Amino acid sequence: GAVVSQHPSWVICKSGTSVKIECRSLDFQATTMFWYRQFPKQSLMLMATSNEGSKATYEQGVEKDKFLINHASLTLSTLTVTSAHPEDSSFYICSAVQVQENIQYFGAGTRLSVL
Amino acid sequence: GNSVTQMEGPVTLSEEAFLTINCTYTATGYPSLFWYVQYPGEGLQLLLKATKADDKGSNKGFEATYRKETTSFHLEKGSVQVSDSAVYFCALSDRWTVNRDDKIIFGKGTRLHILP
Repeated sequence: GAVVSQHPSWVICKSGTSVKIECRSLDFQATTMFWYRQFPKQSLMLMATSNEGSKATYEQGVEKDKFLINHASLTLSTLTVTSAHPEDSSFYICSAVQVQENIQYFGAGTRLSVL
Repeated sequence: GNSVTQMEGPVTLSEEAFLTINCTYTATGYPSLFWYVQYPGEGLQLLLKATKADDKGSNKGFEATYRKETTSFHLEKGSVQVSDSAVYFCALSDRWTVNRDDKIIFGKGTRLHILP
């Protein structure tokens, strides 16, 4: 199957700093990528839909100024957690839609720990 | 609205036991159904899928059949292994095919522990 690479896999940062997470589709082009957040022992919560060349669509309750999404190319979307605080500590997972296969492929996730 | 309900875990079984994880859904139209697996510390991997009624998805010994009459997509495996220990998510895409506008709706996940 197709591969979605997410980087970094784990990041620790100080409170108040910003962290960027990259999501790349390695062997297919993805006009749409999704960003999820997963709390311990819980399901995935969709944060936003990332559309290549246009603004992201955020789910209700997700702060767009806090979680900046940029989908600058057909193979790369980035999520920047701005001015991170301990409550932003979580597991962030991205996915990309492989349209020809009608399948959404997921990255391995990024564990963010804010001290 | 559309939703997915799956049995709560954790489910603990001995190796070589038979596994069933129940999943039911509510949706308008004709959703595609999926099972994803998440191993410890990793992201989600697509395990199997079915796109229309009576389709059977299968992979790695796991099977699930799309039952429209009972709105179910139960996951089964005849003989589980320790390496199957993971969290399993039932999910649906609420359109006929997954396209750029589709969102996947996930169940809450079922944690599976297999004892040697």
